[in-house]
Formats: sequence, structure tokens, C-alpha cells
Amino acid sequence: GIQVEQSPPDLILQEGANSTLRCNFSDSVNNLQWFHQNPWGQLINLFYIPSGTKQNGRLSATTVATERYSLLYISSSQTTDSGVYFCAVGGYGQNFVFGPGTRLSVLP
Amino acid sequence: EAQVTQNPRYLITVTGKKLTVTCSQNMNHEYMSWYRQDPGLGLRQIYYSMNVEVTDKGDVPEGYKVSRKEKRNFPLILESPSPNQTSLYFCASSLSAALGEQFFGPGTRLTVL
Repeated sequence: GIQVEQSPPDLILQEGANSTLRCNFSDSVNNLQWFHQNPWGQLINLFYIPSGTKQNGRLSATTVATERYSLLYISSSQTTDSGVYFCAVGGYGQNFVFGPGTRLSVLP
Repeated sequence: EAQVTQNPRYLITVTGKKLTVTCSQNMNHEYMSWYRQDPGLGLRQIYYSMNVEVTDKGDVPEGYKVSRKEKRNFPLILESPSPNQTSLYFCASSLSAALGEQFFGPGTRLTVL
């Protein structure tokens, strides 16, 4: 099956800093999503981005499908951005697979 | 509002007492699935359903059953729960297995004593 890696595993930032999270996957995919899991455990959809670039406020994401990676950018981070960020991918005939996540802590 | 709902949100039970976690979606999605999340193991798929009356095993199906009698509902059944099924459970739905954004429910935190 598809393997998904995320880096870095942990990230500590001061409020206001920018960051880039990376997701690498091992095979062609037709579905890629970024999620934020908040401290209460809820999974929040950030982006559905099998290819291309999208932006939503301070967050943006880029997927380069031909090179099998995706990047999530967080600008001007806030304490409410803290939590775990997951990348998840799916391909034809394959289950939807989650990466191990990046744990982000934004300090005031 | 388009959403996936799960009930109950929290449950503490004892070993061997059958339980059902309900999942319902109002988006007319064909594909539904269940995941469990455990520390250090991430999110793993338990079962999925491509459409009504079509279900299949995911990565960790042992100890679970599912049914899909209606398009909107996909209950998860634990016939004889054990402590190793203590976990955070998520239901999800999407237009189809191959395409479309997956939407997740709020999660069910289950503790089996």
C-alpha cells in the first residue's frame, strides 16, 4: 500500500512565526487532504488538494503530484494553530492512508 | 448543514458488553468508513463501504462488525468489546472511494474496562 511520511514530527514556534510542513507519499494518488486535529481530538478539514495550490487565510498548500509531495504553509502562526497536522492520501483501488502527523506547538 | 454525526461521543463500558456506535451523513455520499486512532499508531482504517450493502475490511477489522442497510448510516458494532479496543473512533464519508474530499465525524472516545 501507499506509504506516507511527514516532517518534521514536532515543531515549536513563537507566535507570529511562519512554518512549512511536508508530506511525502510513495505512489500516485488522486486524493490528498490536510487535516488539523485540535486539542479536543476533532479532525478539521484544511485542504482537499490532490494537485496544485490553494490558499485559505493564513494557510496555504501545494501538492506536486508528479514528485509525490505536498507542503502546508502556516503564516503568522497563532496559539490556536497548535495541535497535530495530518496529511492523508488515497489512490484508485487503495485505502485512504494517514501520515504520522506533525505536532505543532505555538507559544505566546 | 452538511455533516457527519456520531453517537455516542463518549462511552465507558465493560468487557464483553455489546455496543454500537452510530454514524450518519446527510451529503448523499456513497463511500463511508471507520477509523480508530491510537497513540503512536496514528489513524487506521477498520472497515469501509463503497455503497449500500457493500462493505469490506480495512487494515484492522478484527473484533468489529459493520452494516450498510441505508446510504446515510454506517454503524460500527463491537460484539464483545475488549480493553484493547479502547480508542478514539472516527466515521468518515465521501462521494466515492476514489474521488472526493473525505468528511469526518467528531469522534467517539471509547473506554473498555
